[in-house]
Amino acid sequence: DGGITQSPKYLFRKEGQNVTLSCEQNLNHDAMYWYRQDPGQGLRLIYYSQIVNDFQKGDIAEGYSVSREKKESFPLTVTSAQKNPTAFYLCASSMAQGEGRTFFGQGTRLTVV
Amino acid sequence: QKEVEQDPGPLSVPEGAIVSLNCTYSNSAFQYFMWYRQYSRKGPELLMYTYSSGNKEDGRFTAQVDKSSKYISLFIRDSQPSDSATYLCAMSGYGKLTFGQGTILTVHP
Repeated sequence: DGGITQSPKYLFRKEGQNVTLSCEQNLNHDAMYWYRQDPGQGLRLIYYSQIVNDFQKGDIAEGYSVSREKKESFPLTVTSAQKNPTAFYLCASSMAQGEGRTFFGQGTRLTVV
Repeated sequence: QKEVEQDPGPLSVPEGAIVSLNCTYSNSAFQYFMWYRQYSRKGPELLMYTYSSGNKEDGRFTAQVDKSSKYISLFIRDSQPSDSATYLCAMSGYGKLTFGQGTILTVHP
């Protein structure tokens, strides 16, 4: 069953905590992305990676970090420096960065408690 | 001016109606055009993908691209309550993927 798997589906974070969102794909895609979606707003790009061991900041990278140690995996850490982390986080992938079909996971809803 | 403009709606239509969703863009470097459907609390699902001007049909859905006018459309025929969702247009090229704001569609029985 090919696709993008995000986990967990729901995540609760206390103030001052770092949390990591998982994203795994078995589509053999080189490019992977993290987006944030807030109610009434479009998708905002946090980070993207074109290839293993390389990643670039998107439009709203402050307070987030990523790694790309394996082609299949692109975890996102929401750090305590992110002042308003409550949002819906979406991971996506495509064959190449900004080219062709882009597919999404089912998302992780992060809530600060 | 945003690179991609999409009317956020909301759009409410009766079951069976033809729905037209539209996006305009300003960057002529965009080469690939996509439409996504997103149900509440779910990830966007790729509905249509095209890279040339003209029409592409898939069942009740037709994607239309007019590169000369920098305008894309998604038509939904015989709309169903299950089509109620947010529809996002997306465009890519020169290594960049850009989304519209999304249009909220409700199809009522």
